[in-house]
Amino acid sequence: SYELTQPPSVSVSPGQTAKITCSGDALPKKYAYWYQQKSGQAPVLVIYEDTKRPSGIPERFSGSSSGTMATLTLSGAQVEDEADYYCYSSDSSGNHRVFGGGTKLAVL
Amino acid sequence: VHLVESGGGWIQSGGSLRLSCAASGFSVSNHYMGWVRLVPGKGLEWVSDIHADNSTYYAHSVKGRLTISRDSSTNTLSLQMNSLRPEDTAVYFCARGLGTFWTGYYFDDWGQGTLVTVSS
Repeated sequence: SYELTQPPSVSVSPGQTAKITCSGDALPKKYAYWYQQKSGQAPVLVIYEDTKRPSGIPERFSGSSSGTMATLTLSGAQVEDEADYYCYSSDSSGNHRVFGGGTKLAVL
Repeated sequence: VHLVESGGGWIQSGGSLRLSCAASGFSVSNHYMGWVRLVPGKGLEWVSDIHADNSTYYAHSVKGRLTISRDSSTNTLSLQMNSLRPEDTAVYFCARGLGTFWTGYYFDDWGQGTLVTVSS
């Protein structure tokens, strides 16, 4: 079955830029989406269709995609950004959705 | 938009549960809806979804055991869970989403989740 691969953890100091990658064979054809999840709360969509930011999401969150890799960037990470981040997409058939394994972002 | 899950609980392996998601502020019949679970120690997992044309899709790990459905009269999304296994233990979230076949589908409104614990 289709898989999206993320690094297990990323650590930055406050104010630094954090980059979280997501690789998948179907990403050249399918959009990537990014979710933030804190302490068992419901996930929050932070990026959709590779690069778009929903209303209410701070401008420091941005997304990009090139080939088989999508990237979530936090420019000037803040302590409140500490969370698990998941990429999300569809397989090449479009019939199945999948989450990446998640990346724990530490800002300290 | 408001989504409230119910029906979670403790169940022995091989048993059945039915999760419900009561929706308000919109009609479940007109929207793309689905279930996602948070597996302890592992992360988020897409479980199943139902599209506006009533087509349904399932993760390979649950196909044949879980069934998604919706009821327009009660404005409720449901997940019938049969032949439960310990690895189905998770917090189950109901969600509403958007998208097309070409852009892909995603969820932008979520409930708070309901815990299912399957004991061996």
